[in-house]
Amino acid sequence: GENVEQHPSTLSVQEGDSAVIKCTYSDSASNYFPWYKQELGKRPQLIIDIRSNVGEKKDQRIAVTLNKTAKHFSLHITETQPEDSAVYFCAASPYWGKSTFGDGTTLTVKP
Amino acid sequence: EPEVTQTPSHQVTQMGQEVILRCVPISNHLYFYWYRQILGQKVEFLVSFYNNEISEKSEIFDDQFSVERPDGSNFTLKIRSTKLEDSAMYFCASSEGGELFFGEGSRLTVL
Repeated sequence: GENVEQHPSTLSVQEGDSAVIKCTYSDSASNYFPWYKQELGKRPQLIIDIRSNVGEKKDQRIAVTLNKTAKHFSLHITETQPEDSAVYFCAASPYWGKSTFGDGTTLTVKP
Repeated sequence: EPEVTQTPSHQVTQMGQEVILRCVPISNHLYFYWYRQILGQKVEFLVSFYNNEISEKSEIFDDQFSVERPDGSNFTLKIRSTKLEDSAMYFCASSEGGELFFGEGSRLTVL
């Protein structure tokens, strides 16, 4: 089955700096790669996703890149703000199928 | 905006008791999922449900677990004889492909 590895497990940045979180996956059949943000005690919420026919996608301060050949994808957050502090999960799946999640990255943005 | 709803939000039970967690997926979605998250850990896939049957299940989803869609709206997870290690947040999710829409979760505490 699919195995998703996520790094780093914790990340601390100064407000205004950029943050990068990286994930690798194992199953070539995966073609959908979402990123979820989870605040303490809340449900995971999608912040951005990418499908395998696209190499990069951007939404304001958030971008995701995908390298299908190397089976890795990354989340980039620019101009970080304290409200970006949360746990971020990457996931990989077939478009119609279960998502396999990474272990999560706890991002702390220091004012 | 349509949402996945879950009840109860928190349930405390004694070891060995049966528990039923309920979910109402988004009405036009066809794919339903249960995930669990032990405190501080990653989101783990339990089971997926499509076309009124289980489409995939994980190793966690053993004989003590079952799912049902008893009517056109509800989707339930039953744990027949709870164990201490079943204590976790259980998230229901639905999808029409791609993005998972999570409910707010049901926190299960087994004493």
